[in-house]
Amino acid sequence: DSGVTQTPKHLITATGQRVTLRCSPRSGDLSVYWYQQSLDQGLQFLIQYYNGEERAKGNILERFSAQQFPDLHSELNLSSLELGDSALYFCASSVGALAGSQETQYFGPGTRLLVL
Amino acid sequence: GENVEQHPSTLSVQEGDSAVIKCTYSDSASNYFPWYKQELGKGPQLIIDIRSNVGEKKDQRIAVTLNKTAKHFSLHITETQPEDSAVYFCAASNGFSGGYNKLIFGAGTRLAVHP
Repeated sequence: DSGVTQTPKHLITATGQRVTLRCSPRSGDLSVYWYQQSLDQGLQFLIQYYNGEERAKGNILERFSAQQFPDLHSELNLSSLELGDSALYFCASSVGALAGSQETQYFGPGTRLLVL
Repeated sequence: GENVEQHPSTLSVQEGDSAVIKCTYSDSASNYFPWYKQELGKGPQLIIDIRSNVGEKKDQRIAVTLNKTAKHFSLHITETQPEDSAVYFCAASNGFSGGYNKLIFGAGTRLAVHP
């Protein structure tokens, strides 16, 4: 158990809908990362937050957004869902350092999203 | 752009044999190279990592080597066991860009260890 929790484990929804995925980082970790894992794209970095502020952006669609709250949990919002958004979404956390310290990222169990 | 290539995509070995997975990266500024193991239905689990000031690191049956000149790093598993069967991912990161810590992952290697 990595100490990172994600809810829900599974999510089935329809095209055009909006969903929210939730992540609680390991106790004390300030950085949260979101990754998407699909069969054709592999594990892709979406976005990183550090202590409530966006730190880095990857290949995140404009229909997707995220935030990190004062209690350090994070939410990933996916809107106007398309069939191609079906994937596993992972959250990871690390201790967090402004200077980037080659930190170990610990992954949660993921949320499996199926868009029908 | 940043890219990590991983080979082979599948690997089948007999129990007790060694397994080697190789990765190359494109960003010469990369300085952190973790390896993750992912079992079915679970999230990636860190098994070993190496930083750019080290050429080799070992942890029991697992070792990782890094060649910065060639931009190449490898995972070695000795005395493989059936429970080593999983998908293994290599990754690379440049952790010095103002807290910018994204991991670029390879495509994964599905390892099957046969009893």
